[in-house]
Amino acid sequence: NAGVTQTPKFRVLKTGQSMTLLCAQDMNHEYMYWYRQDPGMGLRLIHYSVGEGTTAKGEVPDGYNVSRLKKQNFLLGLESAAPSQTSVYFCASSVGRPTGNTEAFFGQGTRLTVV
Amino acid sequence: AQSVTQLGSHVSVSEGALVLLRCNYSSSVPPYLFWYVQYPNQGLQLLLKYTTGATLVKGINGFEAEFKKSETSFHLTKPSAHMSDAAEYFCAVSDRGTGGFKTIFGAGTRLFVKA
Repeated sequence: NAGVTQTPKFRVLKTGQSMTLLCAQDMNHEYMYWYRQDPGMGLRLIHYSVGEGTTAKGEVPDGYNVSRLKKQNFLLGLESAAPSQTSVYFCASSVGRPTGNTEAFFGQGTRLTVV
Repeated sequence: AQSVTQLGSHVSVSEGALVLLRCNYSSSVPPYLFWYVQYPNQGLQLLLKYTTGATLVKGINGFEAEFKKSETSFHLTKPSAHMSDAAEYFCAVSDRGTGGFKTIFGAGTRLFVKA
């Protein structure tokens, strides 16, 4: 019953460094999402994917890139980290029927600090 | 653009009192609406959802929400608060974007329960 697994759980980066956050789901879900959570702002969608090989921009995509080479994995990359990217990052997945009425399942989050 | 507004970033109630968390949305028809709960240092989990049919939706842990189309609201209630209900609550709407359906979240309401 792993569900959605995010790695790593914590990370400290220096400004300008790069890193990749990995999200893996074992529920055979079509849709996957990356959100960032900041105090007072709720969850904001960074990028999402409606299937293997496809990605789309969300509300706050600048400074991030994503890839969905395998259905079960959704990678979030930061090419040159900035202090403004200090946040808690959540990955989620959903079955993704065309009607959009399915719930999202969330990982435990990755706390990223950029100094 | 679709949006979700949660009125009140913090709500405090006494144990045993009514819980009312407010959510208003804008969305294309039909809206798919969700409430999620986040306990400290955890990901989000689904409380309840509205898709079609009955406008009063019951969820886990005694929570329920009523979809009111005329008011574009989806307020969350619980008749009697318990200490274990202390958490952050997020209202969400499923929205069709250019890349497929995506879930948009409100900013969240933190619920405090006083003994």
